[in-house]
Amino acid sequence: GQNIDQPTEMTATEGAIVQINCTYQTSGFNGLFWYQQHAGEAPTFLSYNVLDGLEEKGRFSSFLSRSKGYSYLLLKELQMKDSASYLCAVKDSNYQLIWGAGTKLIIKP
Amino acid sequence: SAVISQKPSRDICQRGTSLTIQCQVDSQVTMMFWYRQQPGQSLTLIATANQGSEATYESGFVIDKFPISRPNLTFSTLTVSNMSPEDSSIYLCSVEPGTTEAFFGQGTRLTVV
Repeated sequence: GQNIDQPTEMTATEGAIVQINCTYQTSGFNGLFWYQQHAGEAPTFLSYNVLDGLEEKGRFSSFLSRSKGYSYLLLKELQMKDSASYLCAVKDSNYQLIWGAGTKLIIKP
Repeated sequence: SAVISQKPSRDICQRGTSLTIQCQVDSQVTMMFWYRQQPGQSLTLIATANQGSEATYESGFVIDKFPISRPNLTFSTLTVSNMSPEDSSIYLCSVEPGTTEAFFGQGTRLTVV
């Protein structure tokens, strides 16, 4: 079967750095995505990795290792507004998105 | 990019009734996706809707329970039929106009009582 694992919940302090990990086992790979979802809202796109390495976009970076089936999302200089769920998703061989359950990130002042 | 208008944003329905959710996209897209998201859980794909053909349903979802219409390239509806409390969830429509990111409607929060 296809599976994406990420921690259920993480807590971090405002101004700090947090890394959210994601491991995946899918039938084929056509890219890995990170989305942010605030409570009661729809997911919004954060990042896309299809090749190994680090993609940086402002305070957010995403890393991919295809050989390890592993990715992480790195959030720097945390702000209270970063409190949200972060969803990891992979496109499989059929280009269908397979979603993780999401990591709820709690930011404390 | 794509902007999706989804409605209703929320509803409380009696068991045994049906609710139709609408999604309007600001551009033409080949496929539209319907998801269900239960509290604290991942997005679960219900079906993929193509214009001019029947929707493709994922395992565990059937057309009689979740009929879908796709009359043109910018619009789709999902009906949740003969509702029970187990159908209480958030329903989301989504499009992927390019090869990368997906765009979502605002979601419909359904409560069945």
